[in-house]
Amino acid sequence: DTGVSQDPRHKITKRGQNVTFRCDPISEHNRLYWYRQTLGQGPEFLTYFQNEAQLEKSRLLSDRFSAERPKGSFSTLEIQRTEQGDSAMYLCASRQTGVGSPLHFGNGTRLTVT
Amino acid sequence: ILNVEQSPQSLHVQEGDSTNFTCSFPSSNFYALHWYRWETAKSPEALFVMTLNGDEKKKGRISATLNTKEGYSYLYIKGSQPEDSATYLCAPYNTGNQFYFGTGTSLTVIP
Repeated sequence: DTGVSQDPRHKITKRGQNVTFRCDPISEHNRLYWYRQTLGQGPEFLTYFQNEAQLEKSRLLSDRFSAERPKGSFSTLEIQRTEQGDSAMYLCASRQTGVGSPLHFGNGTRLTVT
Repeated sequence: ILNVEQSPQSLHVQEGDSTNFTCSFPSSNFYALHWYRWETAKSPEALFVMTLNGDEKKKGRISATLNTKEGYSYLYIKGSQPEDSATYLCAPYNTGNQFYFGTGTSLTVIP
């Protein structure tokens, strides 16, 4: 169990640029989640996958956000035309199927949009 | 989106004090309640997964109880230590298969 890894750890970008983050879940975990966390708030649900299928996407998410999980392994989260309001910590988590199975989080990607 | 409330928002206690926080959540379509601890510069780490009404879980000096009928859970820390300083998050898991987190309780233990 090497844990959930996210890349990059930090990303600084200018407003209007596109950014892509990667998440590598624990290999036997079939469920993968993306969250966004801003100061003073808990993690905000963005989307989740079961294997390669994206089963739910938050209504709070604009069309500028897209996520993929090809082949049910790693996942990418892309933000197009970034805005300053996108500055946040983006967390990825994975888990096995089952009510009692907890989320295993990565260390997150800190995005700063200037 | 589930309405999950945690209180208090922040807490400062002296080393050795005992403390507790509350997580309130909708009781309908309930499957489980998760507690996580998030230390600065680390990733959130699971503390407890609770599923049954009346459940009590314990890990060292930390324990939690669950009331699914009224939709709340308490987290207790006995004899707080500086290493307990963290944000404590709760997230109910319902039929939608997502986890919606509360805003968390930020605990600072003063040596």
